[in-house]
Amino acid sequence: DTAVSQTPKYLVTQMGNDKSIKCEQNLGHDTMYWYKQDSKKFLKIMFSYNNKELIINETVPNRFSPKSPDKAHLNLHINSLELGDSAVYFCASSQRGTVGGEQYFGPGTRLTVT
Amino acid sequence: DAKTTQPPSMDCAEGRAANLPCNHSTISGNEYVYWYRQIHSQGPQYIIHGLKNNETNEMASLIITEDRKSSTLILPHATLRDTAVYYCIVRGHNTDKLIFGTGTRLQVFP
Repeated sequence: DTAVSQTPKYLVTQMGNDKSIKCEQNLGHDTMYWYKQDSKKFLKIMFSYNNKELIINETVPNRFSPKSPDKAHLNLHINSLELGDSAVYFCASSQRGTVGGEQYFGPGTRLTVT
Repeated sequence: DAKTTQPPSMDCAEGRAANLPCNHSTISGNEYVYWYRQIHSQGPQYIIHGLKNNETNEMASLIITEDRKSSTLILPHATLRDTAVYYCIVRGHNTDKLIFGTGTRLQVFP
């Protein structure tokens, strides 16, 4: 009954490869996010989707492409992986219009590019 | 950039209250103060939020000064499981974006 789940938990791959990370939430929320936490532990928002529509798109290389097939899923596809993409990626969800609008985070996917 | 400043680290004895300060001197009238924490290797976890009144829930209390330029998160009886990085975040009510700063690393010791 995990609220926000991500797969895989660990991902090790070589430079130049293309990979995807999947995220699913069962909270009935209408907004989902991707965050990146680098080796220095800085946590930064990358994207957010509301009802499958892109709302936030920070300065992220266009090698990163989020895809939201439905409200409960937000996947992150990364093309031509680079060493600097190594990080922990967190998915989150929230419900717009609620007073708190608190975000619920997944357990993270640790991506290592060699 | 984060609109908050927090001490980089704090210690607290188990069973005692942990008081984590946060400065947000440029906060706007419609911006809320949120607190999240991140336990090692886990995703951030929402704790509490407030606008101008003090708030309390089952996890913590949030005390916001009258001028709203600073706040304090209080964990009334800290346990070892409260060891984490605590983030104070200022967020407008009409935006979904959370801007995380460097947070305060709270170490609870036996």
